[in-house]
Amino acid sequence: DIQMTQSPSAMSASVGDRVTITCRASQGISNYLAWFQQKPGKVPKRLIYASSSLQSGVPSRFSGSGSGTEFTLTISSLQPEDFATYYCLQHNSYPWTFGQGTKVEIK
Amino acid sequence: QVQLVESGGGVVQPGGSLRLSCAASGFTFSSYGMHWVRQAPGKGLEWVAFIRYDGSNKYYADSVKGRFTISRDNSKNTLYLQMNSLRAEDTAVYYCAKDPALDPWGQGTLVTVSS
Repeated sequence: DIQMTQSPSAMSASVGDRVTITCRASQGISNYLAWFQQKPGKVPKRLIYASSSLQSGVPSRFSGSGSGTEFTLTISSLQPEDFATYYCLQHNSYPWTFGQGTKVEIK
Repeated sequence: QVQLVESGGGVVQPGGSLRLSCAASGFTFSSYGMHWVRQAPGKGLEWVAFIRYDGSNKYYADSVKGRFTISRDNSKNTLYLQMNSLRAEDTAVYYCAKDPALDPWGQGTLVTVSS
């Protein structure tokens, strides 16, 4: 099975900060990587698919990059509504696996 | 628009069974693979199972293999998850989600395994 290691597991940031979250796959997954945002008590929402494609309706301050084993989610200027937990997902091979999550909190 | 509505959750004793349903609308259900994903209280997301659009292929997480069965009825636009031999660690909110790559998700249904 492919293991997804996400870092950091939690972080504190201020509105306007640039935020970077990393996911590392235990083996190459090409660009079969998606990012999800989950707010407390809410359903997860996909932000990015195919490593770098922005989901329709998602603000352009979110971006994704990477291929193979290293991937990054970047929020260029953190907004109040972005405080949430973020998960990466590899969908290259079954069983699909999520990263353990990154909780972005207000500093 | 695409809508996914799960049902069938509840409280069940360890060793018991439960069947979850996911009613789909707003898209051609018979043309898309479907997934189940779960989230234990206060924990992260765990992918559970996938079924191909025509039911010809199914995949499972190691943690549920041999105990859970994913199925679908394309005539009813409904996805199912039959859960047998339930354990305390199966307690979670169960979501259905549409392929490709889990978009969108239903609102989830809570399964609690407890004596």
